[in-house]
Amino acid sequence: GENVEQHPSTLSVQEGDSAVIKCTYSDSASNYFPWYKQELGKGPQLIIDIRSNVGEKKDQRIAVTLNKTAKHFSLHITETQPEDSAVYFCAASTGSARQLTFGSGTQLTVLP
Amino acid sequence: DGGITQSPKYLFRKEGQNVTLSCEQNLNHDAMYWYRQDPGQGLRLIYYSQIVNDFQKGDIAEGYSVSREKKESFPLTVTSAQKNPTAFYLCASTLTVTQPQHFGDGTRLSIL
Repeated sequence: GENVEQHPSTLSVQEGDSAVIKCTYSDSASNYFPWYKQELGKGPQLIIDIRSNVGEKKDQRIAVTLNKTAKHFSLHITETQPEDSAVYFCAASTGSARQLTFGSGTQLTVLP
Repeated sequence: DGGITQSPKYLFRKEGQNVTLSCEQNLNHDAMYWYRQDPGQGLRLIYYSQIVNDFQKGDIAEGYSVSREKKESFPLTVTSAQKNPTAFYLCASTLTVTQPQHFGDGTRLSIL
């Protein structure tokens, strides 16, 4: 089955700097890649997603890039703010009924 | 507002006891999922259901059971056979497997 690896497990950045989180996947049939943000005691919230027919997608300060050949995708957050501090999860889907396989998460801390 | 409601937020289980976690959605979604989240780990799939009266085991189904008698409801029972039930349990739903999953805010289960 699909295996998703996520790095780093923890990331600290200064406010205003950029943050990058990387994921690799194993199943070349995966075609949908969402990113979720989880705040303490809450469920994950979708922040951006990308499909395999697109190489990059942006939404204000957040962008995701996908390299299908290398089977990796990355989340980029620019101009980080303290409220960006949370755990971020990547996931991959082949479109099967079970849908998503998740990475192990990255704890992002934005230092004021 | 449409969304997913999980209850209770906190739950305590005694040894040898079965407990049931509630998940209700008013998004008119067909597919529903249960995940287990342990500290420092990603989300692991317990069970999922594509339609009413049908469900499949995920990666860690042992010691758990589910039912799907109504489209909007997908309760999870943690049985006494689950020897390490302490975790954060998340319910999710999606309209189709090509769409993002939406999550509830979770139930934290602890052993007394």
